[in-house]
Amino acid sequence: EIVLTQSPGTLSLSPGERATLSCRASQTVNNNFLAWYQQIPGQAPRLLIYDASTRATGIPDRFSGSGSGTDFTLTISRLEPEDFALYHCQQYGSSPRTFGQGTKVEIK
Amino acid sequence: QVQLQESGPGLVKPSETLSLTCSVSGYSIYDGYYWGWIRQPPGMPLEWIGSIFYNGNTYYNPSLKSRVTMSVDTSQNRFSLTLRSVTAADTAVYYCARSRNGNIVAVPAGIFDHWGQGTLTTVSS
Repeated sequence: EIVLTQSPGTLSLSPGERATLSCRASQTVNNNFLAWYQQIPGQAPRLLIYDASTRATGIPDRFSGSGSGTDFTLTISRLEPEDFALYHCQQYGSSPRTFGQGTKVEIK
Repeated sequence: QVQLQESGPGLVKPSETLSLTCSVSGYSIYDGYYWGWIRQPPGMPLEWIGSIFYNGNTYYNPSLKSRVTMSVDTSQNRFSLTLRSVTAADTAVYYCARSRNGNIVAVPAGIFDHWGQGTLTTVSS
């Protein structure tokens, strides 16, 4: 099973700042099958990025994904008030599909 | 617009069986895609339980495989989850979701692009 470790656990930033979230896999993620989700408390996760760097439909271009192999990054170029949330990475290159433990982006 | 809605009892006794249904609207299950269940215990990461294809092919997380059954009812446009012999560790918000592929096919598809709102199921006597 691939273990995904996200860092940092919590990121304290101000609106307008840049956020950089990391997701490290315990083994190579086949085909860079790595997705990112945003979750606002009390709501379901929302797909942001898939295949490591492809934005999902309707996702603003301030969200970008990069990386390959075992190291992946989600970048939010300029934080908007609605971006303060919990972010999960997930791999679907191997079974079982697994998720990271999440990074919380909070207002500083 | 695809919408998914979970339904279930909310409270299940230890050692009994948890049964959830996901009703799909805005898209016919029979037209394809994979349909999955993911859960989130309080304060814990998301956990993939399993996925089912419209033709009934199933794919389960090995950690739960001995206790899980998934099924699909294309006539009612819904799919279901059964989890047997539950314990307090199975207390979680259970989500149903649609999954698809990107440019390269994975089996089962692993990109969860539409989710239900989730239903909290508590295991307690």
